[in-house]
This record gives sequence, structure tokens and C-alpha cells, in this order.
Amino acid sequence: QVQLQESGPGLVKPSQTLSLTCTVSGGSISSGGYYWSWIRQHPGKGLEWIGYIYYSGSTYYNPSLKSRVTISGDTSKNQFSLKLSSVTAADTAVYYCASVDYGDYDFDYWGQGTLVTVSS
Amino acid sequence: EIVLTQSPDFQSVTPKEKVTITCRASQSIGSSLHWYQQKPDQSPKLLIKYASQSFSGVPSRFSGSGSGTDFTLTINSLEAEDAATYYCHQSSTLPYTFGQGTKLEIK
Repeated sequence: QVQLQESGPGLVKPSQTLSLTCTVSGGSISSGGYYWSWIRQHPGKGLEWIGYIYYSGSTYYNPSLKSRVTISGDTSKNQFSLKLSSVTAADTAVYYCASVDYGDYDFDYWGQGTLVTVSS
Repeated sequence: EIVLTQSPDFQSVTPKEKVTITCRASQSIGSSLHWYQQKPDQSPKLLIKYASQSFSGVPSRFSGSGSGTDFTLTINSLEAEDAATYYCHQSSTLPYTFGQGTKLEIK
């Protein structure tokens, strides 16, 4: 079973870049079978899909965030990362990484989530 | 993008009751609809994939149905541990989108 763990700063200043890493175990980001995805949840609100990366390195981003988002992978560490630039208070949220089954396209496994607060 | 609308937003129910949550898509998505359960301070967990297929380890009291634009999550004989917010998600068309959530309170 795939397990995912987010890590990164819990506090980011406005206009700076939010950077998070997801460490994957029980599966390899360099093999097919999964897309590797980021999702966020504003406090007390619903879920917003940010984007994903495939083992080939191809990515797809939510158009609502596309101009500010980069998702990349580090196969040597079996990690993938999220960078969100020019953050504002509206980017304060719990950020989850999740695996997307290549055949079913559902989010079958999730990390526990990490709260990122944007504040000076 | 495809908009998913869940109803109701909130429901207060008693144990052993049967619960039905609906999810309506703004356009046809075939069976590309999945359901998740999120308990307080936890990450979401996959319950049902492709409208009606139970994910591994999910109790049999959870079931799903529907296709096209209208989908249903049913919980038979509700248990206290089912208190949570439930979300639908479509994977028919990028960007992936979620419903706004349905919060179940156990009386």
C-alpha cells in the first residue's frame, strides 16, 4: 500500500514561494501506475485539486493556479514537490499529497496533510 | 470546468438510519465519479470509485450508484463512526473537481 508524507514550512510570508515535499513509500514515482498529485483545503472549506505529475515528468495544473504552480519529482529520493509562487493569505490551507490510480483516476491514498499559513 | 453539487449540505441522523447523499454534475461524466469520507482533523479516504465500486477495506454498508449526471452515496444502518464530511469527485475531465461536501452529524 502506498504511503505519503508531506513536509515543509508551516509559515510563509506574503509574496514568497510556498514549497512542500511529499515522500512516497510503498510505491515508486518513477514507475507507471500512478499520477502524483497535490490537493488543498482552505480552513473549514472544501477540496481544491492543484495538479499532478506523472512518472514521465509530464504535468497538469489546475488552470486557476497554473501561472503560479510547479510540481516536480525527485526519483532518487522517491519524492515529488509543490512550489506555489507569489502567495497571499488566500493560499492559507491544508495541503495534501495523494496518489491517483492511473487506471481508475481516483485519489486512492492521501498524506495526512500539512497546514501552511501565509502571514507576515 | 465541471461543477459538482452535493445535497444536502448538512444532515443530522440517528444510528441505524439509512442515509442518502446525492451529487449532480454540470455535464455528463459517465461513471467517473468517486466518493470520499473525511473525519475531523483527518485526510479524506476513498470509499467508492467509479460510481459504484467499493474501495478495498470499506464497510459493506457504504454503496454508490448512478451515471451521467446524477449519483448517490448510500450508507445503510449508519454507525456513530460514520460522522464525517463526504465529498464526491469527478475524474472525467481535467481539472478534477470536488463537490462542496455533505456533513453528517450523528444525533
